[in-house]
Amino acid sequence: EPEVTQTPSHQVTQMGQEVILRCVPISNHLYFYWYRQILGQKVEFLVSFYNNEISEKSEIFDDQFSVERPDGSNFTLKIRSTKLEDSAMYFCASRGAGSSTGELFFGEGSRLTVL
Amino acid sequence: GQQLNQSPQSMFIQEGEDVSMNCTSSSIFNTWLWYKQEPGEGPVLLIALYKAGELTSNGRLTAQFGITRKDSFLNISASIPSDVGIYFCAGLSGGSNYKLTFGKGTLLTVNP
Repeated sequence: EPEVTQTPSHQVTQMGQEVILRCVPISNHLYFYWYRQILGQKVEFLVSFYNNEISEKSEIFDDQFSVERPDGSNFTLKIRSTKLEDSAMYFCASRGAGSSTGELFFGEGSRLTVL
Repeated sequence: GQQLNQSPQSMFIQEGEDVSMNCTSSSIFNTWLWYKQEPGEGPVLLIALYKAGELTSNGRLTAQFGITRKDSFLNISASIPSDVGIYFCAGLSGGSNYKLTFGKGTLLTVNP
């Protein structure tokens, strides 16, 4: 069964360092998302991406964050200068082009720990 | 922003018991989704509801989309130990971006 894959599964970084989280969405999907889950809290929307541009972003997604689809398969989230409060589980999700539903398929997540 | 109120926050039940959890919102949603999350993994879609009043089953799981479009419930019948996890409701209010709003989750523990 096709799935969304994410790397790394866990990254530990020092405050102020740049981090890149990588995702390979399901191959025929065209809509891509990043969500975040701080430990013990709910899953929160960060950004949606379609046709090589951001279609919507939340107030969490400030200038320190950026997304990119550098090739036909990868979708990345970059945090330029990490802060302690960026520590969270980051989930990538994708959705099929023909779907009229909200059926997002999530990856297993990348846990980011900022020290 | 939109908020979903999910209850209960946690449940401790015996194997074989039925479980019910629900979500309410002050806003209307066009789609309700129920996800399950196990430790160290991403949310996995259980049931999707697209029409007000719709009642949908997936094995031992049954979910309903409230007639007012502001609420939904999920029932699990005859619980088993592998039902353990966090269950999230999520609402979709339409538009082209399919941005989901998640509830805070219900932590389910099933004692064998």
